Amino acid sequence: DAKTTQPNSMESNEEEPVHLPCNHSTISGTDYIHWYRQLPSQGPEYVIHGLTSNVNNRMASLAIAEDRKSSTLILHRATLRDAAVYYCILRDGAGANSKLTFGKGITLSVRP
Amino acid sequence: EPEVTQTPSHQVTQMGQEVILRCVPISNHLYFYWYRQILGQKVEFLVSFYNNEISEKSEIFDDQFSVERPDGSNFTLKIRSTKLEDSAMYFCASSDFDEQFFGPGTRLTVL
Repeated sequence: DAKTTQPNSMESNEEEPVHLPCNHSTISGTDYIHWYRQLPSQGPEYVIHGLTSNVNNRMASLAIAEDRKSSTLILHRATLRDAAVYYCILRDGAGANSKLTFGKGITLSVRP
Repeated sequence: EPEVTQTPSHQVTQMGQEVILRCVPISNHLYFYWYRQILGQKVEFLVSFYNNEISEKSEIFDDQFSVERPDGSNFTLKIRSTKLEDSAMYFCASSDFDEQFFGPGTRLTVL
């Protein structure tokens, strides 16, 4: 599985935007970039995913570099509830049933 | 909003005993998964299941583990003879295609 690299942690202030970076220099052409998050004592939760173009949904935006070797998850206004571990995961798009391979993720802390 | 449910929320067992962890996936989903997370460690893939058979399994998923979809709603993970190192949170997930929906997990404690 292609690997991703994320910083260990990041701090943000409530109601400010947060940019969470991810490097994936060995990404292949069929790999989709997925982001999940895990709130304390909960199961992982889907955030967003994309292939080449930037993506927006109600939770976040995903900005993908033109060469696809990096991406950034953007939370437009952080809330205390957004404090979680965020995982950047490459998933082979060729298989609908393909597993998720979690790394250590980045721990986001949100200051009131 | 539909959700994945898991029972029990916490299971305590003695080493060597069999345990069955139960999951009810989202009703129209076709793909099912089990993951586990040892305390303080990464979420690890165990097994994926589609069309009543295992699609993929990890090295962790040895002969002591089995999965079953006994009826149209439940998806179970059985550990035949538990070991101390099986203590972990076990998460069930289901998917229709892109997004995997995870349950709240079962905390398994092996004494």
